[in-house]
Amino acid sequence: DAKTTQPNSMESNEEEPVHLPCNHSTISGTDYIHWYRQLPSQGPEYVIHGLTSNVNNRMASLAIAEDRKSSTLILHRATLRDAAVYYCILNYPSGTYKYIFGTGTRLKVLA
Amino acid sequence: DAGVTQSPTHLIKTRGQQVTLRCSPKSGHDTVSWYQQALGQGPQFIFQYYEEEERQRGNFPDRFSGHQFPNYSSELNVNALLLGDSALYLCASSRPSRTEAFFGQGTRLTVV
Repeated sequence: DAKTTQPNSMESNEEEPVHLPCNHSTISGTDYIHWYRQLPSQGPEYVIHGLTSNVNNRMASLAIAEDRKSSTLILHRATLRDAAVYYCILNYPSGTYKYIFGTGTRLKVLA
Repeated sequence: DAGVTQSPTHLIKTRGQQVTLRCSPKSGHDTVSWYQQALGQGPQFIFQYYEEEERQRGNFPDRFSGHQFPNYSSELNVNALLLGDSALYLCASSRPSRTEAFFGQGTRLTVV
C-alpha cells in the first residue's frame, strides 16, 4: 500500500551533503510530502514536510519536483548522528496523519 | 514538555493472553494514532482516535481495539495474542493542523 518508492540504503561520508530521493508518482493535489527518520531503538522523528515549494528548516531541506512526482531530502552536512532510516510519506488522506510508511532508506554515515 | 510517553517499554506475554498498552500524548495534542512495527519493517497504521472515537482504522483484525480518554490519553488492547503480534508498538500524537506528528519511544511486545 505504500505510495512512495525509496532506495533501500545509501552511504555518505561525514560532513558531506546527502541527497535522499523519493518517488511518489501517484501523489494527489492535496497530499503533503512528509519526511521522518527513525534512529535505532527510537520512534520516528519528524524531519520536514512540504506541499509544492522547497522548504528549509534547521534539520534539512526538502526539494520538490515541479510535477510533484518526486522529492529529495537534503542533509547539508551529514554527521554520525544522522545515521537512521529515513521515511518519505504522503499525508494520506490529507491532514489526518494516517501515515503509510514504506521500508524507507537506511542511511549509513562513514567517519 | 514530556512529549509522547508510552508504557510499559517492554512486555512479554504468552500466546492467547490479552495485553493493554498505554499512551499519553504531547501536551496540546488531541489526536492519537497507533502503529505496529515488525522487525526490519516500516510502521503500519493500526487506528487513530480523536474526540474519544476511532476515526480511522488500518488493516488489522478486531482483536486490536482501542480507547481514548477525556484527557486524550489512549490505550491499545490486543486480545488472543499470536506469535505474529510480537512487534514494537508506537503511539503518535498530533493536533488538527497540517503539522508534524510526534511519536513515542514505543512498547516492545514479545509473545512467546
